[in-house]
Amino acid sequence: TQLLEQSPQFLSIQEGENLTVYCNSSSVFSSLQWYRQEPGEGPVLLVTVVTGGEVKKLKRLTFQFGDARKDSSLHITAAQPGDTGLYLCAASNFGNEKLTFGTGTRLTIIP
Amino acid sequence: DAGVIQSPRHEVTEMGQEVTLRCKPISGHNSLFWYRQTMMRGLELLIYFNNNVPIDDSGMPEDRFSAKMPNASFSTLKIQPSEPRDSAVYFCASSPRLADTGELFFGEGSRLTVL
Repeated sequence: TQLLEQSPQFLSIQEGENLTVYCNSSSVFSSLQWYRQEPGEGPVLLVTVVTGGEVKKLKRLTFQFGDARKDSSLHITAAQPGDTGLYLCAASNFGNEKLTFGTGTRLTIIP
Repeated sequence: DAGVIQSPRHEVTEMGQEVTLRCKPISGHNSLFWYRQTMMRGLELLIYFNNNVPIDDSGMPEDRFSAKMPNASFSTLKIQPSEPRDSAVYFCASSPRLADTGELFFGEGSRLTVL
């Protein structure tokens, strides 16, 4: 069974600060996705990365897929209260539609 | 456009009762997934269907759980009999294609409490 470990589990920071959260595994993946989930709702896709070393930017969010395709990071610049939520990484293997989710990072941005 | 629709949003039942959760995927999506989310175990895949056919049910906890997809626009997840440890939020998600980079579109979830 693939295991995706996310760190930190909880993070609470002031508005305007920068932060990075991590998603790590011992397995190699064909692609990795990041989702954000708000209370009472289902996860919503933020980005998909497929190439080792790939970097994608979404406004203040920067996503990176590790060179070995085993890990990923999400960096948020100048965090806003609207960034508050549960951040989940999810990954799948080659030719397999089954998506395994990480343990999640619960982020709180304090105004 | 309508997203994935789940019902009920909340259900409170007593141990031993049958629970049926329902899902209507996004029209045109050919893959459907049932996930369960708890604080302790996070988001776990229970079963997924492609073109209405169950592909992988290895995540179904035990025989008390069953899932069906009689047509492309409807799926059910049934628990019989229910137990307190089944309390969780159950999510249905659909995906437009059989591909390992496909986006999952989640419903709002069904929060189940078994007393």
